Amino acid sequence: DAGITQSPRYKITETGRQVTLMCHQTWSHSYMFWYRQDLGHGLRLIYYSAAADITDKGEVPDGYVVSRSKTENFPLTLESATRSQTSVYFCASSGRLETQYFGPGTRLLVL
Amino acid sequence: AQTVTQSQPEMSVQEAETVTLSCTYDTSESDYYLFWYKQPPSRQMILVIRQEAYKQQNATENRFSVNFQKAAKSFSLKISDSQLGDAAMYFCAYRSALASYYGGSQGNLIFGKGTKLSVKP
Repeated sequence: DAGITQSPRYKITETGRQVTLMCHQTWSHSYMFWYRQDLGHGLRLIYYSAAADITDKGEVPDGYVVSRSKTENFPLTLESATRSQTSVYFCASSGRLETQYFGPGTRLLVL
Repeated sequence: AQTVTQSQPEMSVQEAETVTLSCTYDTSESDYYLFWYKQPPSRQMILVIRQEAYKQQNATENRFSVNFQKAAKSFSLKISDSQLGDAAMYFCAYRSALASYYGGSQGNLIFGKGTKLSVKP
């Protein structure tokens, strides 16, 4: 019973490179979310998905792309990484009106 | 738009004593959910407690309880018999109950900026 997992857990990359963060959940939850956590800002929503093939922007979507071809996966891609995207990224999932459960997070450093 | 405010950036409590963390929120909706999440140094976000707005009874989970005042839009967390393992960041969060299956932002969590709790031995 893995729940929700994220990979990689740690990533160092360089400015301008494309990076993909993976998120996988085993509960068949319909909703999935990507947040970033920065000091002084708490958690901010990047993108979310209400179901497979349905995604929408959150509070801070610029520079990110998501897809959801399968219910259980929700990858987040930084098309051309910038230093301002250095952060801790959390994936979460929930049923329609239920509690969101979070993955362990990915620490991303953009040099 | 809904907002969540945690007015205490840091709090401290002596081991075995009780501490209360404050949270207020702003919404025009009548049906919603409120949550407290704990984030220890490992950075894992852990659900502590959840409250449905339509329930008048305050939620409790072992040593954790809330004081939910709907009219005042207040949702404080009380930790009794504090333990060293309670030291963490605590986030208050709001979620609308109007989540739409075909998109819409109502299903998203809106977080406060957190309260850092220290527990002194």
